[in-house]
Amino acid sequence: EDQVTQSPEALRLQEGESSSLNCSYTVSGLRGLFWYRQDPGKGPEFLFTLYSAGEEKEKERLKATLTKKESFLHITAPKPEDSATYLCAVQPPEANSKLTFGKGITLSVRP
Amino acid sequence: GAVVSQHPSWVICKSGTSVKIECRSLDFQATTMFWYRQFPKQSLMLMATSNEGSKATYEQGVEKDKFLINHASLTLSTLTVTSAHPEDSSFYICSASARGSPLHFGNGTRLTVT
Repeated sequence: EDQVTQSPEALRLQEGESSSLNCSYTVSGLRGLFWYRQDPGKGPEFLFTLYSAGEEKEKERLKATLTKKESFLHITAPKPEDSATYLCAVQPPEANSKLTFGKGITLSVRP
Repeated sequence: GAVVSQHPSWVICKSGTSVKIECRSLDFQATTMFWYRQFPKQSLMLMATSNEGSKATYEQGVEKDKFLINHASLTLSTLTVTSAHPEDSSFYICSASARGSPLHFGNGTRLTVT
């Protein structure tokens, strides 16, 4: 059974204080690893898909990286508007297969 | 692209009534849609996989007679919570993906059963 563990559960940063969010996973096969951002009372918003170890993707202050066992979401010089819950999910190789989500990391960025 | 619209965004109903939630893929066709439930400060729990033109596949522990799913077209799936009770109060979210693209989510429906 696929498992996804995210750490820490919550993270409080000062504006401008860079940090990383961790997503560790155990899968029998990996089609893709996904990062989503979720604001309170909203559905998750897609951020990145990573397909193979060594892959990196960037979007504004966010950079996602992938190894064979974990993924990191690096946040560089965060701003208060980056405050949200960040979800990591893995998808097995079968087409249209279901995603397994971690519990999420709640990030708070203080001005 | 890949916009998923969910309606209503919130609903309050009395215990014993039924509530229907709609999920539409606005700019793509989705042969498969997924329905999730989320409790406060918890992650997404997959309830069922909705397949266009066929019966939904429910996850273990999810009552198919209580959570009726209909996927009548390539752009619409509905979730009906039948005979709702206060314990059914939750945040329900649907998702869909176009072929080869990542899963996109609707904005969720907050259901409160009084």
